[in-house]
Amino acid sequence: AQKITQTQPGMFVQEKEAVTLDCTYDTSDPSYGLFWYKQPSSGEMIFLIYQGSYDQQNATEGRYSLNFQKARKSANLVISASQLGDSAMYFCAMRGEGSNYKLTFGKGTLLTVNP
Amino acid sequence: ETGVTQTPRHLVMGMTNKKSLKCEQHLGHNAMYWYKQSAKKPLELMFVYNFKEQTENNSVPSRFSPECPNSSHLFLHLHTLQPEDSALYLCASSQAMGMKRATDTQYFGPGTRLTVL
Repeated sequence: AQKITQTQPGMFVQEKEAVTLDCTYDTSDPSYGLFWYKQPSSGEMIFLIYQGSYDQQNATEGRYSLNFQKARKSANLVISASQLGDSAMYFCAMRGEGSNYKLTFGKGTLLTVNP
Repeated sequence: ETGVTQTPRHLVMGMTNKKSLKCEQHLGHNAMYWYKQSAKKPLELMFVYNFKEQTENNSVPSRFSPECPNSSHLFLHLHTLQPEDSALYLCASSQAMGMKRATDTQYFGPGTRLTVL
């Protein structure tokens, strides 16, 4: 079975600062994918970034980067230069053979960006 | 705009009503999904369709009835719902569930916020 743990129910950050959202996972699959999604109050789940378990480099997408530490089974999301529009729920998810390739989501972290 | 649309965005219905949720994807994907998101609960997968065939029914009550006429459209027919069915219903699509690749990214629609009175 696969499991995603997000230990931070809520986080606050000042505008223009960087913030790290924690995600740890548990799986026995040799190959798996890790995803981060953003969900604003409007409800839409927006795909942000993907990291494959065999990728040698940490994934980056604009202001988003994924701090992937395979031995520690962590896949933290780093948002640089926070903007007010970054205020939202953030979900970590994974997909692998152990879940029959279904997405397993964490409970999410509510990020609030203060002006 | 992710290429996945859902209608209606909001729906209020009584327990005896029958209504349908619609999802359409313009991404050329072959797999489509229904998820339920209740307050303070993790996202729950309800149904999966892969190349129009239902491949997953996650023990969903029969008052929810999915339909996938083609790879671009997905419906969720609702009848005799309960108040605890009030939630955000999200549709998603991906290239193909059957590819069994960890990289298969799901793209979500904006959701339908359902309230059952």
